[in-house]
Formats: sequence, structure tokens, C-alpha cells
Amino acid sequence: QKEVEQNSGPLSVPEGAIASLNCTYSDRGSQSFFWYRQYSGKSPELIMSIYSNGDKEDGRFTAQLNKASQYVSLLIRDSQPSDSATYLCAVLPRGGAGSYQLTFGKGTKLSVIP
Amino acid sequence: DAGVTQSPTHLIKTRGQQVTLRCSPKSGHDTVSWYQQALGQGPQFIFQYYEEEERQRGNFPDRFSGHQFPNYSSELNVNALLLGDSALYLCASSLTGAYQETQYFGPGTRLLVL
Repeated sequence: QKEVEQNSGPLSVPEGAIASLNCTYSDRGSQSFFWYRQYSGKSPELIMSIYSNGDKEDGRFTAQLNKASQYVSLLIRDSQPSDSATYLCAVLPRGGAGSYQLTFGKGTKLSVIP
Repeated sequence: DAGVTQSPTHLIKTRGQQVTLRCSPKSGHDTVSWYQQALGQGPQFIFQYYEEEERQRGNFPDRFSGHQFPNYSSELNVNALLLGDSALYLCASSLTGAYQETQYFGPGTRLLVL
């Protein structure tokens, strides 16, 4: 069973701080990794995608991938109250059977305190 | 650029009834995936349609079926509704062959089964 694990939180950080969200996955053959943000009562919105080991930065967001440790993280710099949401980690396996199914973690609820 | 659209936004049904949910993919996309998200959980993959065929299916019973039309839009049908089918149903579209085949979600249909 392919699994994606996240701390459910809630993770509380003060406004302006760095929020660090973590995710581990069980399928060593996974090739693509995504972070989605989901506000309460809304649908998931893509924040970042990462494919290669290392860091990928987009504005205040940095995704980090370590395939050897089967670990992916999302850093949010200068956190704002509008960043308060549930963050979902999703993993896409490599090509072949089962390659089209995104597997999600349960999400980490982030609360940014003004 | 039109995003993913879904209809209806909300639906209330009773046990044993049947329901049809609809999805139009993002402009330029040819692939539609359906997910079920229960409260407090990450989305669970139901199935994916490409070239009007079911390309992959998750661990959902045959009561869940779908269809894709020549214009790439899709329907999800659920027969013999159970109370446990109450959830947010998400449609995601992507472009097969594109880099990472990123999936973008629609606003969802919230189904309540009484």
C-alpha cells in the first residue's frame, strides 16, 4: 500500500515567521511531488511541484525533495494570516501501472497568528 | 483561461438513489481524474479518464462509474447511494504527456446522503 504521511497539526506560527511542513512517502519509485493548499470548504489549489532532488523556490514558498530519505517539505517564509489553510502533500508514482494516481497525505493544518 | 468547472456545487440525496456529477476540464487539457474527499481526509483517487476510456481505477466499488465525452468533459455516476458516500467530490484535469502531468482541481461538488 503506497502511503503518504503528514503531521496533521495544527501547526501554529506567528505572522512573519517561517512555517515548515513535512511529508514522507513509502513508494521509492515515486517521481513527482506536489503541494496543494486547501482553504476550509474549498478545493485544493496547486502551490508547488518538484521533480528533482534539492530545493525549488517560488516567491515565499520553497519545496525541498530528498528521494534517498523519501522526504519532501514545504517552507513558507514571512507567513501571513492568509496562509492559514490545510496543506496537502501529493505523490505521483513513476510510469507503468498505477502511474496516474495522485496519492495524498491527510494534510497539515497551518494557522498563522497575527 | 477557463479553469476546471464542476456542477452542481451542492447536492442532497437519500440512500439508494443515484447521482451524476459533471466536470469540464481546463482549456487545453485532455485527461480527467475524479477524487473523493471525506471530512478531515486527503482526496482519494476514484478513477481517471483519457481518450474516452477509464485508464486507471482506485479502490472504489462498481457503484462508481464514469464517462468521458469527445470534448473531454466527464461525468461521475454513483448508484445505490450509501450514507458513507457523503463527501466532497473533486474533478482534476491534466494534459497527458505534459511535464509531470500536473493535476488542477475544480471547485468540487459537495454531496450529502441522508
